[in-house]
Amino acid sequence: QVQLVQSGAEVKKPGASVKVSCKASGYTFTSYGISWVRQAPGQGLEWMGWISAYNGNTNYAQKLQGRVTMTTDTSTSTAYMELRSLRSDDTAVYYCARAAHGDYWGQGTLVTVSS
Amino acid sequence: SYELTQPPSVSVSPGQTARITCSGDALPKQYAYWYQQKPGQAPVLVIYKDSERPSGIPERFSGSSSGTTVTLTISGVQAEDEADYYCQSADSSGTIRVFGGGTKLTVL
Repeated sequence: QVQLVQSGAEVKKPGASVKVSCKASGYTFTSYGISWVRQAPGQGLEWMGWISAYNGNTNYAQKLQGRVTMTTDTSTSTAYMELRSLRSDDTAVYYCARAAHGDYWGQGTLVTVSS
Repeated sequence: SYELTQPPSVSVSPGQTARITCSGDALPKQYAYWYQQKPGQAPVLVIYKDSERPSGIPERFSGSSSGTTVTLTISGVQAEDEADYYCQSADSSGTIRVFGGGTKLTVL
């Protein structure tokens, strides 16, 4: 069965970086892209971007351009999302999802940004 | 930037039909997707490509499209359907995706 398992919760100080991992199993990793979506406390879903696991092509949300980098490691079927220059409003649960439209989702990773 | 507009809330009694709309200028060109999210849980895809239902999703969930508006319909609403529902689609270029603001479905 398809599974996406994300790394554990993180607490970071403003200005720091965070890297969240998403390990895929149960399907051919390079046949689907990975989307990243975040949800601030009590707020809606926000699309962050997408990466092709086949060739590494990326599309990022304009508001995150320059701060976010999405990568994949096909040898371990793992996708990564790095967010730099963290601010308090980056506090959110971060999700990975299979494909551009998210047919399967990871369990979420809480990233807390606090001084 | 591109936006999808949903009503903040919809309320129905058990057994009735709930309809949740999502409006966006690019919807005539781009497919819409619908997600159900319950508190503390990851979203679940309930409708893809405007009207297709993934395996395991009850038949009472259906989707439709008309012009710049797509609609999620839940027929014979059950208490377990109480959740937040989000639409998602792409802008006219197809490269940037966006979520609607979400609709809280309350089962009275």
